Amino acid sequence: AQTVTQSQPEMSVQEAETVTLSCTYDTSESNYYLFWYKQPPSRQMILVIRQEAYKQQNATENRFSVNFQKAAKSFSLKISDSQLGDTAMYFCAFMKGTYKYIFGTGTRLKVLA
Amino acid sequence: NAGVTQTPKFQVLKTGQSMTLQCAQDMNHEYMSWYRQDPGMGLRLIHYSVGAGITDQGEVPNGYNVSRSTTEDFPLRLLSAAPSQTSVYFCASWTDSGNTIYFGEGSWLTVV
Repeated sequence: AQTVTQSQPEMSVQEAETVTLSCTYDTSESNYYLFWYKQPPSRQMILVIRQEAYKQQNATENRFSVNFQKAAKSFSLKISDSQLGDTAMYFCAFMKGTYKYIFGTGTRLKVLA
Repeated sequence: NAGVTQTPKFQVLKTGQSMTLQCAQDMNHEYMSWYRQDPGMGLRLIHYSVGAGITDQGEVPNGYNVSRSTTEDFPLRLLSAAPSQTSVYFCASWTDSGNTIYFGEGSWLTVV
């Protein structure tokens, strides 16, 4: 069975600094998708970034980037120049095929002024 | 585009009552699912559907029923509410082109 592990329940970072959130996953598949979702206090789920496993290049979206290490089954999220609005719960998710997403337990990130 | 719409947003039930959480999407997505979110446990899959008329169980299906009579709608029924079903429920949909999942805004359910 596929699993997704986020080992950091809570993290904090000073405004304007950089923070990295960790995610590891377990699968025997070779082709799959990985995602990071942000859940602010409003509880809305917002896609931050996605990565296709067959792509070597790490995905980047503005201040958000990933470090995808396929052999190590690691998918960390780096947030640069952290802003107060980045305060949220962050979920790592795995998807293989088209009908099942598996989510990690989340990392609560607090950006400090 | 409304995206994924869930109703109601808040509900309080008494133990033993039944209710239906509604979910509708207007993106013509084939795939829909229901998750529950509990503290420290992330999102857990309750049921999912790969198309109209086809549903299957996820990780935590007990106490819940679903049906998918149309592509747009995927209601979640609580048969006999229990305090353990107090949670935030999310409906989601996606298509196999893009593979990005879209969530509704969540339904807060409290069972007393």
